[in-house]
Amino acid sequence: EAQVTQNPRYLITVTGKKLTVTCSQNMNHEYMSWYRQDPGLGLRQIYYSMNVEVTDKGDVPEGYKVSRKEKRNFPLILESPSPNQTSLYFCASSLWTSSYNEQFFGPGTRLTVL
Amino acid sequence: KNEVEQSPQNLTAQEGEFITINCSYSVGISALHWLQQHPGGGIVSLFMLSSGKKKHGRLIATINIQEKHSSLHITASHPRDSAVYICAVTGNQFYFGTGTSLTVIP
Repeated sequence: EAQVTQNPRYLITVTGKKLTVTCSQNMNHEYMSWYRQDPGLGLRQIYYSMNVEVTDKGDVPEGYKVSRKEKRNFPLILESPSPNQTSLYFCASSLWTSSYNEQFFGPGTRLTVL
Repeated sequence: KNEVEQSPQNLTAQEGEFITINCSYSVGISALHWLQQHPGGGIVSLFMLSSGKKKHGRLIATINIQEKHSSLHITASHPRDSAVYICAVTGNQFYFGTGTSLTVIP
């Protein structure tokens, strides 16, 4: 089954404790992206990657890191989480051509930073 | 800065009504997307379009590139259409509207 998976789905942590949220897709998509969703602000792009070893900042990259060592995986790293990073996080992937870039979303990770 | 504006923010309709959600954007785009987010949180892509009109079942999406405007229409609305509908535009980056929360009452 074609899908985007994220782990963990739920995480409660404390300020400053490094964490990684994994994202994996099995559709051989070039483009992968991380978003956070907050009430009243909607979805905002954190980082995206057009292909292996190519990553770019989105709208809200501060406090986050990403890496793209393999095509299928795009982990999101919070080196020193803070309470303002409490949010619902989505990973997504797509093929990337000039005429086709439909996004496939993971199920979401709800992160609480105390 | 709001690259994408949606209206209305909230919408309540009676079952069977025709529904329209609007999206205006201010940046150059290669495509516009309509997404659906159900109460459980999962997001699915409904449409991706760069010109004209697309139809899937009771859902119709249109885009006017010159006016930088898109509409999502739902014909014969049903309670299972209750969800948040999100407009997004893309060049290399994605920009999202804040969503329209639709409730369809039986």
